[in-house]
Amino acid sequence: DQQVKQNSPSLSVQEGRISILNCDYTNSMFDYFLWYKKYPAEGPTFLISISSIKDKNEDGRFTVFLNKSAKHLSLHIVPSQPGDSAVYFCAASAATGTASKLTFGTGTRLQVTL
Amino acid sequence: EAGVAQSPRYKIIEKRQSVAFWCNPISGHATLYWYQQILGQGPKLLIQFQNNGVVDDSQLPKDRFSAERLKGVDSTLKIQPAKLEDSAVYLCASSLWGPYEQYFGPGTRLTVT
Repeated sequence: DQQVKQNSPSLSVQEGRISILNCDYTNSMFDYFLWYKKYPAEGPTFLISISSIKDKNEDGRFTVFLNKSAKHLSLHIVPSQPGDSAVYFCAASAATGTASKLTFGTGTRLQVTL
Repeated sequence: EAGVAQSPRYKIIEKRQSVAFWCNPISGHATLYWYQQILGQGPKLLIQFQNNGVVDDSQLPKDRFSAERLKGVDSTLKIQPAKLEDSAVYLCASSLWGPYEQYFGPGTRLTVT
């Protein structure tokens, strides 16, 4: 049962353009969402997060949008840079205290071309 | 600040053999996680420790996997005996508390032949 879905396994974007990565979830108890970035042979690195009480969170070139009614979130990267080429994982958590765990999507490989 | 350390980075074993992985979390982080990431999938939580107590091991195959966290700091994950389907990257992560903003180590790539 895949509770967090990233339906696009890969995405290619030109340098300077906007990258939009999408994520859907099915569990209505999820109330905190995170994006992680992963380079080859490294562990995932935290990028940005959003609480369910917000619909947008911005950090520099990265913005995450949350649409609770659609159970959908997206990560926007503007402008995209070659160093952004990596696998991006969406993750979600339900607030049940310290036992809360992250459920990850399958990832989207972003390739930023020159 | 030193990150999460893991060793070994790579391991190749034959099926039915045993293997152990080690993790040293970021200093002061009370929560430690072990994940299994199979190729093409996202990380799947195996076990979560809060200090040296287990708070979630619902997805740990307990007939062959075991984990411990000594004195609330370092942790080891063991597989005995290994199966072909255990081939994956094993990631250790830590956080100050709860699941938020976890910091991951580089992982151990296990190949079972």
